[in-house]
Amino acid sequence: DGGITQSPKYLFRKEGQNVTLSCEQNLNHDAMYWYRQDPGQGLRLIYYSQIVNDFQKGDIAEGYSVSREKKESFPLTVTSAQKNPTAFYLCASMGSWTSENIQYFGAGTRLSVL
Amino acid sequence: DQQVKQNSPSLSVQEGRISILNCDYTNSMFDYFLWYKKYPAEGPTFLISISSIKDKNEDGRFTVFLNKSAKHLSLHIVPSQPGDSAVYFCAASARWYGGSQGNLIFGKGTKLSVKP
Repeated sequence: DGGITQSPKYLFRKEGQNVTLSCEQNLNHDAMYWYRQDPGQGLRLIYYSQIVNDFQKGDIAEGYSVSREKKESFPLTVTSAQKNPTAFYLCASMGSWTSENIQYFGAGTRLSVL
Repeated sequence: DQQVKQNSPSLSVQEGRISILNCDYTNSMFDYFLWYKKYPAEGPTFLISISSIKDKNEDGRFTVFLNKSAKHLSLHIVPSQPGDSAVYFCAASARWYGGSQGNLIFGKGTKLSVKP
């Protein structure tokens, strides 16, 4: 089945630790996105990539890093510089923004701090 | 400053009645609007969209209305079913402006509860 797979579903981070969230898609989409959702809040854009080997900061990129070495994969690293990492993280992908400006989402990763 | 606003955090409706979820936006460059449905601990799922060249789009029980002059859109669900209980997010994009084509701006969501 085509879709977006995020792993793990739950993740715990210790103080001072970097953690990496995985996002893989087999939809052959060019663009991929990372969002953060906090309780009672909408989705806030962390990073996005419209093509392989290129990515741009979103609204809340501080304390996060990404890479886009393959079309299918867009991992997100939550670094120790991110002081409030506890949130629900969502990855999305999109085909052509000119025709179907629809982003499709994975099931999410919940990150908590120990 | 929020560019996409959903001013009602929650809405409760009786099964079989109409649910109307509202969304306002401030950026006149927005030309594409979407509604997503989200269950707890899951990713949002796309529901319905509308381009700014239209004022209405229907898909089964779901209809989205767009009033560009008022910068307002609404999602109508008729008839409402208990399985529709979820958080609904409105999103907007300005596809042809700037360098961030396809980026979506989300509202904070409205939690819909449909009671049997």
